[in-house]
Amino acid sequence: EIVLTQSPATLSLSPGERATLSCRASQSVSDFLAWYQQKPGQAPRLLIYDASSRATGIPARFSGSGSGTDFTLTISSLEPEDFAVYYCQQRRNWPLTFGGGTKVEIK
Amino acid sequence: QVQLVESGGGLVRPGESLRLSCAASGFTFTYYDMHWVRQAPGKGLEWVSFVRSDGTNEYYADSVKGRFTISRDNSKNTLSLLLNSLRTEDTAVYYCATGVLVAGLDSWGQGTLVTVSS
Repeated sequence: EIVLTQSPATLSLSPGERATLSCRASQSVSDFLAWYQQKPGQAPRLLIYDASSRATGIPARFSGSGSGTDFTLTISSLEPEDFAVYYCQQRRNWPLTFGGGTKVEIK
Repeated sequence: QVQLVESGGGLVRPGESLRLSCAASGFTFTYYDMHWVRQAPGKGLEWVSFVRSDGTNEYYADSVKGRFTISRDNSKNTLSLLLNSLRTEDTAVYYCATGVLVAGLDSWGQGTLVTVSS
């Protein structure tokens, strides 16, 4: 099973600041990596697929990069609605796996 | 628009069974692979199971293999998950999800809560 390790567990930032979230895979997932945002009481929302492609309707301030084992989700300038939990997920191998999540909270 | 509506959750005792359903609409269900993903209270996301669009392939997380069975009825646009031999650690919100537009899970239901407790 491919283990995805996300860091940091919590990121405390102010609106307008840049957020950089990391996801590291225990073995190569090529570019078969997605990022999701989840707010309390809501289902996850797909932000990024195939490491760097934005999903439909996702603002340009969200970007993804990386390949192989190291990936980054960047939010260029945090908006109030961006404070949430973010998960990475790989689809390179079965079973699909998610990272443990990074909570982006208001400082 | 794409809509996924889960049902069937509830409170059950350890060892009992439950069947979850997911009603799909707004897209051609028969074309798309489907997944179940769960989330224990206060915890992260855990992928549970997958079934191919035509029902020919199934995959399961190790934590549920041999206890859960995924199935679909393409004539009724319905996805199901049969949960047998339930354990307290299966307590979670269960989501059905699919990727309609892109190679990722871009469509999710609202989830159904399964509570396993004596």
